[in-house]
Amino acid sequence: DAKTTQPNSMESNEEEPVHLPCNHSTISGTDYIHWYRQLPSQGPEYVIHGLTSNVNNRMASLAIAEDRKSSTLILHRATLRDAAVYYCILREANRDDKIIFGKGTRLHILP
Amino acid sequence: NAGVTQTPKFRVLKTGQSMTLLCAQDMNHEYMYWYRQDPGMGLRLIHYSVGEGTTAKGEVPDGYNVSRLKKQNFLLGLESAAPSQTSVYFCASSPLRDRTDTQYFGPGTRLTVL
Repeated sequence: DAKTTQPNSMESNEEEPVHLPCNHSTISGTDYIHWYRQLPSQGPEYVIHGLTSNVNNRMASLAIAEDRKSSTLILHRATLRDAAVYYCILREANRDDKIIFGKGTRLHILP
Repeated sequence: NAGVTQTPKFRVLKTGQSMTLLCAQDMNHEYMYWYRQDPGMGLRLIHYSVGEGTTAKGEVPDGYNVSRLKKQNFLLGLESAAPSQTSVYFCASSPLRDRTDTQYFGPGTRLTVL
């Protein structure tokens, strides 16, 4: 299985941008990069996904390295509500039906 | 539009008891999933369904059974609960089954087996 590596935890100040890194050095050319987050006592929620190009949506931006071996989830202006565990996930060819969650990065937002 | 709902929210069982967890979705999604999450861990897939009347095993299926008699419902059963099944259970659904799909999760059921 293609794996992802994320820091266990990060801290950021409220109203500042947050850059959450993810390494996926064994990614194949057809694997999609997905991000989900899990707020305290809630189920995971989808954040964003991409293949090669950088992606933006109302929640965040996804910056993908040119060699695709790493990516960064960018929260442009963190709020206290963004405190959550963020999961970087690879959706692989021939494993369409499965999302494999790692331990993710626990993001703490300081007021 | 309620999305994905789970019943019950909390439950305490004694070892050997049985119970059924209900997941319902109102988005007309074909695919549904059951995950468990243990403290400090990511989610692990128990069983999933690719359509009404079909089910398949996931990563950790032992000790669980599932049924998908109606498209909108996915049931997870524990026939003889064990303390190792103490966990938070999440149901999810998705419209597609490929690398670009989005899974929508329910709020979870916290199960304790004594």
